[in-house]
Parts: sequence; C-alpha cells; structure tokens
Amino acid sequence: QKEVEQDPGPLSVPEGAIVSLNCTYSNSAFQYFMWYRQYSRKGPELLMYTYSSGNKEDGRFTAQVDKSSKYISLFIRDSQPSDSATYLCAMRFGNEKLTFGTGTRLTIIP
Amino acid sequence: DVKVTQSSRYLVKRTGEKVFLECVQDMDHENMFWYRQDPGLGLRLIYFSYDVKMKEKGDIPEGYSVSREKKERFSLILESASTNQTSMYLCASSGWDREREKLFFGSGTQLSVL
Repeated sequence: QKEVEQDPGPLSVPEGAIVSLNCTYSNSAFQYFMWYRQYSRKGPELLMYTYSSGNKEDGRFTAQVDKSSKYISLFIRDSQPSDSATYLCAMRFGNEKLTFGTGTRLTIIP
Repeated sequence: DVKVTQSSRYLVKRTGEKVFLECVQDMDHENMFWYRQDPGLGLRLIYFSYDVKMKEKGDIPEGYSVSREKKERFSLILESASTNQTSMYLCASSGWDREREKLFFGSGTQLSVL
C-alpha cells in the first residue's frame, strides 16, 4: 500500500463547476499538507499549504484536512479553463522529505 | 522572481551513454533535489543535497549519482544510461517562507534512452 493514494483521473468538468480533488494517506505522523499544480511541460508549483485540520481558503481554492480520517481535499470553485492541469498532493512530518501523491489530471471544458 | 533552470528540455541518449543533467538555482537555497516523474508513480526522490559537496540518497538512487560543487548548481549523472531511465527529471530547490519550507521546481528534462 502506498503511503499516499490519489486518483489519477483524468477528470473532466464543465467550466464554472466545483471541482473536488482528494488524497488519502496511511501515515498518521504527517503534519504538513500541500497541493501543487503542474501545467503541461512545466514543473509543479505550490498552490496551497496547510498544517492543521480544517479548511484554508485562498481565492477560488479551498484546502481541507481531516486528520482523523487521514484525508485531504482541494476544492476549486467557479472552475476556469486555466485551471486545467495536474494536481499533486504532498505531505511530510517534521523535517522529513515530502511524499507526493501520483497526481490527478484535470481538464476544464469551456 | 525565483528561478530553477534545467539545462535541457528534451534529451535523447543511447543505452550505455553517460548522461549529465544540469540544474541551477538563483535563490541562494541550501537544499536541492532531483526527482523523476513517471505516469502512475508520481514524483520519486532520487538524491538531495543540503550543502555544497554534501549529498543524500533518496528513494531510488540506484543507477544515478550527483555532484554539488557550487551552491547554485546540482548535477544528476546517469553513469550508464538504460532504457528504464527514460523519464521526466525534475530539479528543485527549497527555501523558507513565513516558517514554511517551499519547493521550487524547474521545468523538467524529458529524457529518452534508446
């Protein structure tokens, strides 16, 4: 079993829809949770960073962490074609290296 | 604007060749990383370095080596390339921003070994 599980998709939704992306993990020691966005032929870039259970909002993006269920989510409201990318979850504890999910490829259809 | 630059976007090499992948960062970061990214497997850490001339093995170091002679430059070396090393290679450096460690990635090198 992988430490971090993420549905690879692909996921296609119409423009304006709410998108939900999810990861589950098995290591209860994970403390810090991140979402990276990777456009085609580019490196990943940090989108959201959280370190506690609950919600964190940044514009159209909301990151949610449920440590009791070992489950994290990224919600995108009013999705735009420019949101089409691969989204990777990542997590770590202490100063250990990051563990990444495999990524979910998302396409927003105009 | 922060920048991690990888020297090549695409490389095609023959089996058995020695391959050098170069990465330069302009943020004065101490930590640098090499990952490979494969469909269905995600990002896997090959090697990382937390200081000049220092290196640590990641999860999949076999068949690779690294060199960090200067703080800004981190090189990945495939001593004898094999077809199973065909992959996207991503370099990253990390810095601290408001008590958060943040990874900055280059655009990647797509390596094909024939």
